[in-house]
Amino acid sequence: QVQLQESGPGLVKPSETLSLTCTVSGASMSGYYWSWIRQTPGKGLEWIGHIFYSGTTSYNPSLKSRVTISVDTSKNQFALKLNSVTAADTAVYYCARQKTAVAAPRYWGQGTLVTVSS
Amino acid sequence: DIQMTQSPSSLSAFVGDRVTITCRASQNIGDYLNWYQQKPGRAPTVLINAASKLERGVPSRFSGSGSGTDFTLNITNLQPSDFGSYYCQQSYSTPLTFGGGTKVEIK
Repeated sequence: QVQLQESGPGLVKPSETLSLTCTVSGASMSGYYWSWIRQTPGKGLEWIGHIFYSGTTSYNPSLKSRVTISVDTSKNQFALKLNSVTAADTAVYYCARQKTAVAAPRYWGQGTLVTVSS
Repeated sequence: DIQMTQSPSSLSAFVGDRVTITCRASQNIGDYLNWYQQKPGRAPTVLINAASKLERGVPSRFSGSGSGTDFTLNITNLQPSDFGSYYCQQSYSTPLTFGGGTKVEIK
């Protein structure tokens, strides 16, 4: 059974960089798209972007200038970096797996709350 | 981006009732529409993909219909376990976008 687990700081200061890692277990990363999705009370669910196991990325245009997603298949991990954060980036961040670039994410991590505050 | 508009934003119904949630896309997305259920503190789970295809293990009281821009999620014989939030999501193009959600409460 595929399992995903987010990890990273729960508190980030404004203007700094949010960094999260997702560790994948129970399956190879090959052949799949690995996504980041966030959820806020105000904006609901927002797809941040994804990375194919080979390294090709696609980002939400609303965040593209601040987002980097990377993958390390040797560690079965992929990562999210979001720079210049503000309070509006406070959210529960989920990592997830997609079978194709537009398929429904069927496997999700449990989510991790990241708060942006000084 | 394709905008997804869901209604209602919340509803309250009795056990045994039939519940209908609607989702409208800002452009034609064919049947590239998925429905999710989310329980508090948990990640969303896929209920229905391709507008009407039930995911394995999802009870048959859930059904989806529609194509183009207008879609519906129906829950017949509402059960206490059906409380939570429901979201539609388009799989037509990136960026993937979600509806604003419908919170279902059991009276």
